[in-house]
Amino acid sequence: KAGVTQTPRYLIKTRGQQVTLSCSPISGHRSVSWYQQTPGQGLQFLFEYFSETQRNKGNFPGRFSGRQFSNSRSEMNVSTLELGDSALYLCASSSDTGNTIYFGEGSWLTVV
Amino acid sequence: AQSVTQLDSHVSVSEGTPVLLRCNYSSSYSPSLFWYVQHPNKGLQLLLKYTSAATLVKGINGFEAEFKKSETSFHLTKPSAHMSDAAEYFCVVSLLTSGTYKYIFGTGTRLKVLA
Repeated sequence: KAGVTQTPRYLIKTRGQQVTLSCSPISGHRSVSWYQQTPGQGLQFLFEYFSETQRNKGNFPGRFSGRQFSNSRSEMNVSTLELGDSALYLCASSSDTGNTIYFGEGSWLTVV
Repeated sequence: AQSVTQLDSHVSVSEGTPVLLRCNYSSSYSPSLFWYVQHPNKGLQLLLKYTSAATLVKGINGFEAEFKKSETSFHLTKPSAHMSDAAEYFCVVSLLTSGTYKYIFGTGTRLKVLA
């Protein structure tokens, strides 16, 4: 069974631009969550989607948004990028009945 | 309120010696507890999980953890460290709230293995 797949793995953007990151969950998993990881703040929860609906949301500004498609694939978007948005963005998926989350390899975003 | 505390931000051990990474949790009910490992430039990989079955949980790569309710601890151990164990380790508590699971992450322990 394939794991959680995130694309792209690495990207560099300029301040003010926007970025879209993609996540394909483990087959059969309908819950997808996103995390931001930085050296200073550690792992911070962004949001969770289940069956195309945002189910939970962390404490991030509205520049951070996401969506989920009918095949459970998810995207997150960050608009008007700031230097502080440079981070590793991790996607995780879980099954309907399980409480275990499985992470992808992450997308490294550098904002210059 | 639920919380998780990893007592050491950095741990150094020599190759071949035991590893102990400490985690304490606070929870008003029986929690589910996890350990994840993150190697450089990688995502988080599940090492093991406790979900109210046996209190001693065995994971991958020779790691195990013991759930001690009286001490509210879930320490991660390995009898003999290997160079490939050098990584960051996260203790995680999950709680069921309003029908969905939320996860509380520890701040991580960076394990260094000396040759």
